[in-house]
Amino acid sequence: GENVEQHPSTLSVQEGDSAVIKCTYSDSASNYFPWYKQELGKGPQLIIDIRSNVGEKKDQRIAVTLNKTAKHFSLHITETQPEDSAVYFCAASRGGGFKTIFGAGTRLFVKA
Amino acid sequence: EAGVAQSPRYKIIEKRQSVAFWCNPISGHATLYWYQQILGQGPKLLIQFQNNGVVDDSQLPKDRFSAERLKGVDSTLKIQPAKLEDSAVYLCASSWAGGMGTEAFFGQGTRLTVV
Repeated sequence: GENVEQHPSTLSVQEGDSAVIKCTYSDSASNYFPWYKQELGKGPQLIIDIRSNVGEKKDQRIAVTLNKTAKHFSLHITETQPEDSAVYFCAASRGGGFKTIFGAGTRLFVKA
Repeated sequence: EAGVAQSPRYKIIEKRQSVAFWCNPISGHATLYWYQQILGQGPKLLIQFQNNGVVDDSQLPKDRFSAERLKGVDSTLKIQPAKLEDSAVYLCASSWAGGMGTEAFFGQGTRLTVV
């Protein structure tokens, strides 16, 4: 069946450094790739998303890249801050959120 | 704008008992999702509704899980009878249905512990 692999499972960085999380997907019909941040005791919250007709998208310190040929997409966080510490999930879906598959998550620690 | 509301926040039951969770999506959102999130894993889609119709329930264990969204707004998810492996956080999400890829907004979830 469809699958999304995410790595690393844990990432520890020093405040101010960059963090990169990578995902691969198997469903070639996927065309929407959201990234979610989940803090303890809360539901996931969308932080950035990218659609299949775009290769890169940036929003302040966060950027996402997509390589549809290789079925890879990545999240880049620059100038990390302690409040960036959380679990990050990538996901892949077909149109309208149909068949949304989540990765297993990356626990990011930003050390002050 | 009010977010996705879920209740209860926590529930502890014994195995073989039944339990129900309630979700009220964001007003105007036609699509509603129920996810199961086991500790240390990503959310797994159980069922997706478009208004009051089921779009995808391929991963719903239908022998024990059921869900409904009778008027196309609120939804309930039921487990009967519960098993130990059902211990998880049950997340409800909603999105405005339209076009390619729409943002899903999640509730805080219901943490279920089956003992």
